[in-house]
Amino acid sequence: IAGITQAPTSQILAAGRRMTLRCTQDMRHNAMYWYRQDLGLGLRLIHYSNTAGTTGKGEVPDGYSVSRANTDDFPLTLASAVPSQTSVYFCASSDSNERAQYFGPGTRLTVL
Amino acid sequence: GQNIDQPTEMTATEGAIVQINCTYQTSGFNGLFWYQQHAGEAPTFLSYNVLDGLEEKGRFSSFLSRSKGYSYLLLKELQMKDSASYLCAVMDSNYQLIWGAGTKLIIKP
Repeated sequence: IAGITQAPTSQILAAGRRMTLRCTQDMRHNAMYWYRQDLGLGLRLIHYSNTAGTTGKGEVPDGYSVSRANTDDFPLTLASAVPSQTSVYFCASSDSNERAQYFGPGTRLTVL
Repeated sequence: GQNIDQPTEMTATEGAIVQINCTYQTSGFNGLFWYQQHAGEAPTFLSYNVLDGLEEKGRFSSFLSRSKGYSYLLLKELQMKDSASYLCAVMDSNYQLIWGAGTKLIIKP
């Protein structure tokens, strides 16, 4: 089925641990994005990638890193998790010919 | 700074019409988007406006006035399945989306 997949669906993590959230799309979209969604706030952009091999910082990049080795995959890494990183994380992608972004199902992360 | 404002919550009756407003102040404008998000699910794309006026898509319509920094999403013939949050987002001069906090729409029978 075409679209975006994310893994894991949910995770409980001890503070200080390293964690990588996975995101894969099969739509051959150029651009990919990582957002976090917290209650009462709009989606906030963490990092983005306009094309394979390039990445950029969004509104809230601190504590997170990304890589874009190929078109399909865009993993998000928390080097040393902190409780404030408890959130729902969404990966999205978009095509250069269409500005709409399409979202994966999300990862619910709890850092204790 | 950049700001997107929309009501936190609205209630409407099944079969009725509801209008969800969004006002924005952003650095540059490259289009306004509406998304629907059911509880516990991902946002799904509803509409995109870049020119002033009304765009109609079935039961949903979206309006834009760039001079007023204003948009609305109009939902007609409301169904229970329309109970969801509706997110307004503006694409700024860097082609990044700035998101509102969303409007939770509650549909009552």
